[in-house]
Amino acid sequence: EAQVTQNPRYLITVTGKKLTVTCSQNMNHEYMSWYRQDPGLGLRQIYYSMNVEVTDKGDVPEGYKVSRKEKRNFPLILESPSPNQTSLYFCASSRWRGDDTQYFGPGTRLTVL
Amino acid sequence: GQQLNQSPQSMFIQEGEDVSMNCTSSSIFNTWLWYKQDPGEGPVLLIALYKAGELTSNGRLTAQFGITRKDSFLNISASIPSDVGIYFCADNTDKLIFGTGTRLQVFP
Repeated sequence: EAQVTQNPRYLITVTGKKLTVTCSQNMNHEYMSWYRQDPGLGLRQIYYSMNVEVTDKGDVPEGYKVSRKEKRNFPLILESPSPNQTSLYFCASSRWRGDDTQYFGPGTRLTVL
Repeated sequence: GQQLNQSPQSMFIQEGEDVSMNCTSSSIFNTWLWYKQDPGEGPVLLIALYKAGELTSNGRLTAQFGITRKDSFLNISASIPSDVGIYFCADNTDKLIFGTGTRLQVFP
């Protein structure tokens, strides 16, 4: 089954404790991205990757890092989480950057205390 | 930067009613997309529009690309409980940008 998986689905952590949210897709997609969803703000792009070893900042990259060592995986790293990073995070993938059909993961709800 | 404003912010309707929501932008778009997010899941593409004035249907859903290219409308006819969720408009002219969302609640 074609899908995007994220782990963990839920995470409660404390300020400053490094964490990684994993994302994996099995569709051989070139383009992957991370979004955060906050009430009243819709989904905002954090980082994106057009292919292996190619990553770039989205609209709200501060406090986040990503890597794309393999085509299928695109982990999101929070080196020193802060409470304002409490949010719902989605990973997405598509065949290429301009592809209108983005496939989203199920989401990761992160709470930073 | 570009802004996509959706209205209404939320809707509470009775099963069987028709629903209408819209999205406006601060700039001209070449593409209008409508996504739906079911509770506890990621968004899924419903409809894509590519031409000003275009009207496209997907089952009970109909969306239109506004003539000015600065707005779009989504209508749902005869709503059912599984229509519950958040509906997002989006533009993919340069990069994918989402609107603020319309939360729909349907009561039996």
